[in-house]
Amino acid sequence: KAGVTQTPRYLIKTRGQQVTLSCSPISGHRSVSWYQQTPGQGLQFLFEYFSETQRNKGNFPGRFSGRQFSNSRSEMNVSTLELGDSALYLCASSLVASGGEQAHEQYFGPGTRLTVT
Amino acid sequence: AQSVSQHNHHVILSEAASLELGCNYSYGGTVNLFWYVQYPGQHLQLLLKYFSGDPLVKGIKGFEAEFIKSKFSFNLRKPSVQWSDTAEYFCALGAAGNKLTFGGGTRVLVKP
Repeated sequence: KAGVTQTPRYLIKTRGQQVTLSCSPISGHRSVSWYQQTPGQGLQFLFEYFSETQRNKGNFPGRFSGRQFSNSRSEMNVSTLELGDSALYLCASSLVASGGEQAHEQYFGPGTRLTVT
Repeated sequence: AQSVSQHNHHVILSEAASLELGCNYSYGGTVNLFWYVQYPGQHLQLLLKYFSGDPLVKGIKGFEAEFIKSKFSFNLRKPSVQWSDTAEYFCALGAAGNKLTFGGGTRVLVKP
């Protein structure tokens, strides 16, 4: 099975711009989660989507948003970029039954490294 | 609120030495616990997981971890490390909605 894929792998943007990152989960996985990884804050949960619905959201401003499509692919968008948004953005997919309440093992993609100048 | 603490930020050891990385969590409900590893230049990989049952879980590459509920701990161990175990190790707590809360990570350097 192919793993989680993320595009693009690298991105350079300017403050004030917006960016869209894409994630394709492992085939059959219906849950997609997004994380931000920075040297200072470590790995932080952004949000999780299951069956096109956001189930959980981390403590990030509204500039961070996401969506999931019917084929389980997901995108996240960051508007009005700030220097502090420079980070590695990781996508993870999980095979979880409908209505599953507990966290399941998640498989991570290689990430998109975003640099904001 | 849930949190995860990894007390060792950096560990340096020689090949064949034993490794133990500490992980403590704070959460009032049922927990799922994970250890992930990030090798240099590679993406996060799952080493092992604990959902329920036997508190001693075995993972890939000779790693194991012990869940001690009374101590809110999930320490990772490997009896004999190799140079290829040089990586950053993350403990994570899973709660409802597939949200993982990660510890700060421990960078492990194994000297040949």
